[in-house]
Amino acid sequence: DAKTTQPTSMDCAEGRAANLPCNHSTISGNEYVYWYRQIHSQGPQYIIHGLKNNETNEMASLIITEDRKSSTLILPHATLRDTAVYYCIVRVARNNNDMRFGAGTRLTVKP
Amino acid sequence: GAVVSQHPSWVICKSGTSVKIECRSLDFQATTMFWYRQFPKQSLMLMATSNEGSKATYEQGVEKDKFLINHASLTLSTLTVTSAHPEDSSFYICSARIPGQGTETQYFGPGTRLLVL
Repeated sequence: DAKTTQPTSMDCAEGRAANLPCNHSTISGNEYVYWYRQIHSQGPQYIIHGLKNNETNEMASLIITEDRKSSTLILPHATLRDTAVYYCIVRVARNNNDMRFGAGTRLTVKP
Repeated sequence: GAVVSQHPSWVICKSGTSVKIECRSLDFQATTMFWYRQFPKQSLMLMATSNEGSKATYEQGVEKDKFLINHASLTLSTLTVTSAHPEDSSFYICSARIPGQGTETQYFGPGTRLLVL
């Protein structure tokens, strides 16, 4: 699976959009981009995933660049409960292996 | 999304005792489950892959005789920490993958915090 690079930490004001970047310059054509988050003392929570098209669900939007070398997770209206570590993971679909977690980005939403 | 549960949510035990942690997929059948361990301020580290009806596959450096994994049904995997010691104190998290989905998203349990005294 391709390696990802994320900023160590970010702050965001409550009610504003949180934009979390992820670089995955070595991504292969058959690799998906997954986003999970982990709120303190809880298991990771699935957020969204995509291959090349932008995706949106009730939690977030995922914007993938045309060359697929980077992506951005957008939380449109961040709340205090969105404070968590956000993980960007790149992996092949239908892979028998697990999700490999890096250090992630620690997002702090401030009032 | 799919629901994965763990029991217990936290456990305190004496050094030398064994502790069993259960992981259940509540609304789907999981042929493969994963066990992770997370130490404070660190990311999740995979310990082993649990396959229903067969032996678990352990990551390098994880003692299979100390961390016993049983995946006897499509909805239940158990991790037993045998002869636990204080250095085994950690946050243990399981996950399960829904088979058959195109991109096979993994869903995680809430975690079990183990404290060995």
